[in-house]
Amino acid sequence: GEDVEQSLFLSVREGDSSVINCTYTDSSSTYLYWYKQEPGAGLQLLTYIFSNMDMKQDQRLTVLLNKKDKHLSLRIADTQTGDSAIYFCAESISGYALNFGKGTSLLVTP
Amino acid sequence: DADVTQTPRNRITKTGKRIMLECSQTKGHDRMYWYRQDPGLGLRLIYYSFDVKDINKGEISDGYSVSRQAQAKFSLSLESAIPNQTALYFCATSDFGGTQETQYFGPGTRLLVL
Repeated sequence: GEDVEQSLFLSVREGDSSVINCTYTDSSSTYLYWYKQEPGAGLQLLTYIFSNMDMKQDQRLTVLLNKKDKHLSLRIADTQTGDSAIYFCAESISGYALNFGKGTSLLVTP
Repeated sequence: DADVTQTPRNRITKTGKRIMLECSQTKGHDRMYWYRQDPGLGLRLIYYSFDVKDINKGEISDGYSVSRQAQAKFSLSLESAIPNQTALYFCATSDFGGTQETQYFGPGTRLLVL
């Protein structure tokens, strides 16, 4: 399928905000997801947003959705060293599977 | 206990060998998936199953086969392993609720084919 695009790497300092961006492909995707993968572990669902929403906030996480540009972003406030991981954007396709981006490696430095 | 388990966690095998990766889930989900993860390529779907009698090919099914032995078990086989099948393999499950598709992942199996 077509690619979901993400930047491959992001480095931030502890306490700063992190913004991870994603461009998805299917304008009919009903849900968009952010997954987190810590070293040596599987993917864990962080949050998701329904396509009729522009924004969703969950504690330190803010998801913004721009349907016109098919752009999704994840903002992590007050980033901590424990937030260092790979973050995957994913879109639902045909209601049965997820199309994942290649992942953004977030490095949080003290 | 983990909801989605994979065995083995690590495996080294030789070219031409047949191997099986197993996945079990206690979530009671009907849908199960197998993905492979390669550095810089993200996750790619190998096979998926909506229930015990329903098996479907994903994006990269060549060289793989699957078996859905029960609702809780979904195994992936490499009939004749080759080095470019060296990757991290993930099993996932989901409980399709209308249009929302949240997938729950196992811890992964790291496979090295020599």
